[in-house]
Amino acid sequence: ETGVTQTPRHLVMGMTNKKSLKCEQHLGHNAMYWYKQSAKKPLELMFVYSLEERVENNSVPSRFSPECPNSSHLFLHLHTLQPEDSALYLCASSQGAGTSGRDTQYFGPGTRLTVL
Amino acid sequence: AQSVTQLGSHVSVSEGALVLLRCNYSSSVPPYLFWYVQYPNQGLQLLLKYTSAATLVKGINGFEAEFKKSETSFHLTKPSAHMSDAAEYFCAVSEGSGGSNYKLTFGKGTLLTVNP
Repeated sequence: ETGVTQTPRHLVMGMTNKKSLKCEQHLGHNAMYWYKQSAKKPLELMFVYSLEERVENNSVPSRFSPECPNSSHLFLHLHTLQPEDSALYLCASSQGAGTSGRDTQYFGPGTRLTVL
Repeated sequence: AQSVTQLGSHVSVSEGALVLLRCNYSSSVPPYLFWYVQYPNQGLQLLLKYTSAATLVKGINGFEAEFKKSETSFHLTKPSAHMSDAAEYFCAVSEGSGGSNYKLTFGKGTLLTVNP
């Protein structure tokens, strides 16, 4: 595997379910990101991790819980979601975070989440 | 605070015609600017980026963009559209310096349709 991978690619869940999204980067990067992409809205940054420490929590509801066990893996744990949380969730990684705005962020293919 | 405006949520061109996708930004500090492309059911892929070197930036697939500070613009062009260019294009800005300079602010995207 190369680049940034995400699993599952599609997920349908009820409002009472608990599920997790997984992201893995194979680029040796030090920072990882979660974004939410909804129709007709700009990409929204949710969380940023740099060297496994959370450096950004962009006013995201607590029903979204990130976890970064090491610099290659990032999870987004989901529980008691709402239908308006249905969206494409994108993971990205970059060489560093907070060191240079010029760093390119490399994106995974996303997980299409539908909340019933 | 930084922001990005992409003029035209949908642009339609004929195959072989010029592609022009508009992006205007605002930033309180010298910016870094990015264009990403998203094909259906895929994540975002970097086309090109401006990092304060040459103002005319060449990217992949024949695309280029010119940074114009006086106009606060970073428009994306391609001389001759190909059917495979049909996708959604996102302009993004990050701040060149500062504590949160890794933050990418995205525009709402422009959907490019290429007609045969």
